[in-house]
Amino acid sequence: EAGVTQFPSHSVIEKGQTVTLRCDPISGHDNLYWYRRVMGKEIKFLLHFVKESKQDESGMPNNRFLAERTGGTYSTLKVQPAELEDSGVYFCASSQTGTEILFGELFFGEGSRLTVL
Amino acid sequence: DQQVKQNSPSLSVQEGRISILNCDYTNSMFDYFLWYKKYPAEGPTFLISISSIKDKNEDGRFTVFLNKSAKHLSLHIVPSQPGDSAVYFCAALSGTGNNRKLIWGLGTSLAVNP
Repeated sequence: EAGVTQFPSHSVIEKGQTVTLRCDPISGHDNLYWYRRVMGKEIKFLLHFVKESKQDESGMPNNRFLAERTGGTYSTLKVQPAELEDSGVYFCASSQTGTEILFGELFFGEGSRLTVL
Repeated sequence: DQQVKQNSPSLSVQEGRISILNCDYTNSMFDYFLWYKKYPAEGPTFLISISSIKDKNEDGRFTVFLNKSAKHLSLHIVPSQPGDSAVYFCAALSGTGNNRKLIWGLGTSLAVNP
């Protein structure tokens, strides 16, 4: 069974440009999460989808970030326009139900590293 | 302000010895804690968890201890193996029901020397 896959693995863009990160969760997983790790800081929650609906987007830094999950399958996270402080590793994770996280049933992708110059 | 703190950025131990990784938290409402392990260029993978109603959970070489009064937990790895070399993250679960999210520590980089 395929795990959580993320594209691209690394993106280098200039300040002001746009980047779109994609996450394909494990098939059948209704819950999809985005987390971000900025260098030197802890991994932080960005948002949580249940199917195509945003369950919690309290961690989104500002309106330059737009997440979508049309059809409840894959998700995209667009940063427009990118700023220097957006650099970091963006992790996507999925689980079948929200409560399974308690038992470790939350699976992470390898992350998309974003470098904004 | 960080709610989950891992004050040791790195730890080095000899193969066969015990590794002890520490974690402190500030929010007494957290009801579950998890440890994740991360290798370079990979995503975090779940290691072990503990409910706040317990003080110990064991899985093979890995044991997590929770001291609620001190708001402190620790991960013990016995015996440590070179393959255990990785970054270990402590995380607390916030929220309820289906609305859960992880609050992470900064991580501790463990090096197990042969």
